[in-house]
Amino acid sequence: DIVMTQTPLSLSVTPGQPASISCKSSQSLLHSDGKTYLYWYLQKPGQSPQLLIYEVSSRFSGVPDRFSGSGSGTDFTLKISRVEAEDVGVYYCLQGIHLPPNTFGQGTKLEIK
Amino acid sequence: QVQLVESGGGLVKPGGSLRLSCAASGFTFSDYYMSWIRQAPGKGLEWVSYISGSGSTIYYADSVKGRFTISRDNAKNSLYLQMNSLRAEDTAVYYCASGDKNGPYYFDYWGQGTLVTVSS
Repeated sequence: DIVMTQTPLSLSVTPGQPASISCKSSQSLLHSDGKTYLYWYLQKPGQSPQLLIYEVSSRFSGVPDRFSGSGSGTDFTLKISRVEAEDVGVYYCLQGIHLPPNTFGQGTKLEIK
Repeated sequence: QVQLVESGGGLVKPGGSLRLSCAASGFTFSDYYMSWIRQAPGKGLEWVSYISGSGSTIYYADSVKGRFTISRDNAKNSLYLQMNSLRAEDTAVYYCASGDKNGPYYFDYWGQGTLVTVSS
């Protein structure tokens, strides 16, 4: 199974400051179709996970543009340009190419200072 | 808008059974892969099972293989998870989630989840 490793596991950010989360996969997530099957989710407290980013860098419907994704192969990053209070929660990366199983990272907890 | 509503969770004794349901609306249900994902208390997300739109392709996580059965009724826009031989480690919130038309690559919409507690 593919192992997804996120760092850091927690971070505390002052509102208005940037934040960055890394996700590394144990194998390349680049498919022969040219797509890279890496996704980012946010689970706000008490809520279901919500899709933020698909295929490394495309924002899902309704996701603010302060969220951005980058990376290739096995190394990926989620960035929040200016953290807001509503961004608190746990962020997960997901790989969707080496199936089954779909595998998630351990999660990164973001809190506001 | 897409809506997924799970039901059927509850308290069950070890070795018991439970059937979860997920009612879908707001999209052409039969076109899409559907999945079950679970989250143990205070833990991360674990994929459990997925099923193709036609029901012809099904996979399970090793942790539930032989005990859980996923199914769907496209006429009723519903997804199911039959859980047998339940263990304490199956205790979790179970989410249903919709996916892509062409494969179970990701999960775009999630239900609110239903809690399954396995305890004597």
